[in-house]
Amino acid sequence: IAGITQAPTSQILAAGRRMTLRCTQDMRHNAMYWYRQDLGLGLRLIHYSNTAGTTGKGEVPDGYSVSRANTDDFPLTLASAVPSQTSVYFCASSGTSGSGNEQFFGPGTRLTVL
Amino acid sequence: GQNIDQPTEMTATEGAIVQINCTYQTSGFNGLFWYQQHAGEAPTFLSYNVLDGLEEKGRFSSFLSRSKGYSYLLLKELQMKDSASYLCAVMDSNYQLIWGAGTKLIIKP
Repeated sequence: IAGITQAPTSQILAAGRRMTLRCTQDMRHNAMYWYRQDLGLGLRLIHYSNTAGTTGKGEVPDGYSVSRANTDDFPLTLASAVPSQTSVYFCASSGTSGSGNEQFFGPGTRLTVL
Repeated sequence: GQNIDQPTEMTATEGAIVQINCTYQTSGFNGLFWYQQHAGEAPTFLSYNVLDGLEEKGRFSSFLSRSKGYSYLLLKELQMKDSASYLCAVMDSNYQLIWGAGTKLIIKP
């Protein structure tokens, strides 16, 4: 593994189904983030984790949950998917959550909820 | 509220210079980032400014004026591979990035 990986690459999901998007990084970064990107809008933060064992809510957390059991993994779960959750989801990480730390992004997961 | 504004789309000619502007209003300021995003790909880091002035990195430069809430990204000697979206993001008082919607740059031969 080099950098950040996400799985799956893309997914079509029926409304009401549960779905977990996976994210793994091998850079030993403390901070990790989940964003969604929709056409015409900037990246919007869903949830974040400043260090293993802690998580926080971002701008658009409703309908999503996360866990951070270890440094490397940061899965995002949609408990009961709805069509408005159709989006491209990016996982990112940074050395720390402080000023000046650039975020490195995974390749993204394209999710369609029907 | 927090707001980042940048033009939706710009067009420039190969070999020319283009300036992409970004204005912001955020709760606190802990630096401004520029990212490049090619279609269908992830954003990649270009530059970071926390103090006023110009930061130069090869063909790309980024300028910041904190008093005006303003930044620009300057791309010189444009190449076709520079066709991409350019994202402006400000780190707020909670150390979270607030993102603009991005500027799609189209390079013509």
